Amino acid sequence: QSALTQPASVSGSPGQSITISCTGTSSDIGAYNYVSWYQQHPGKAPKLMIYDVTNRPSGVSNRFSGSKSGNTASLTISGLQAEDEADYYCSSFTSSTTWVFGGGTKLTVL
Amino acid sequence: QLQLQESGPGLVQPSETLSLTCTVSGGSITSSTFYWGWIRQPPGKGLEWIGSIYYSGRTYYHPSFKSRVTISIDSSKNQFSLRLSSVTAADTAVYYCARHQDGTAEFAPWGQGSLVIVST
Repeated sequence: QSALTQPASVSGSPGQSITISCTGTSSDIGAYNYVSWYQQHPGKAPKLMIYDVTNRPSGVSNRFSGSKSGNTASLTISGLQAEDEADYYCSSFTSSTTWVFGGGTKLTVL
Repeated sequence: QLQLQESGPGLVQPSETLSLTCTVSGGSITSSTFYWGWIRQPPGKGLEWIGSIYYSGRTYYHPSFKSRVTISIDSSKNQFSLRLSSVTAADTAVYYCARHQDGTAEFAPWGQGSLVIVST
């Protein structure tokens, strides 16, 4: 079981939009609409930001949105704010009834 | 509001067994449709799912850990536990417990995490 592939880092200026990709296979991302995204600030536990590809939990800003095409899922953050600077991880359910995370992407707000 | 809290030794000797417990408060661990999982994060690295358990006791494990890991549940105490045997320095990590929906990748909420160092 291999980790999902994410870019190591992305950056953007305040107010801009950025997109983080998460590439898997036809056995995980491509097979189900069960992709989630997590935000993790240093020293803190991950926080669920998106689930089931596009859904936002209550309390999560609508600046965060998710999408999927084939074996690749994406997280878009619009109107970047300083507080968005964090690590972001994707996760997917797999056809082996296991769960897999991406390697993580460090977002820097310039 | 559901809360999870990890507990256990912060230091484990190489070749020994790592044991952690996750205590669930604000809700029942026997709720249907929910799984209870363990995820770890080595220092400076990404998240890695270890395994999950359903209240019935059914378990799912990451293939890389299958020979070394046991996850169990104690409904009377509203707790679930992780045991990882034959540990090495590579098992040094922050270990998180989290609830997730059946089949989905919706892990929430998470515990605060418990740092376990494997060293003499």
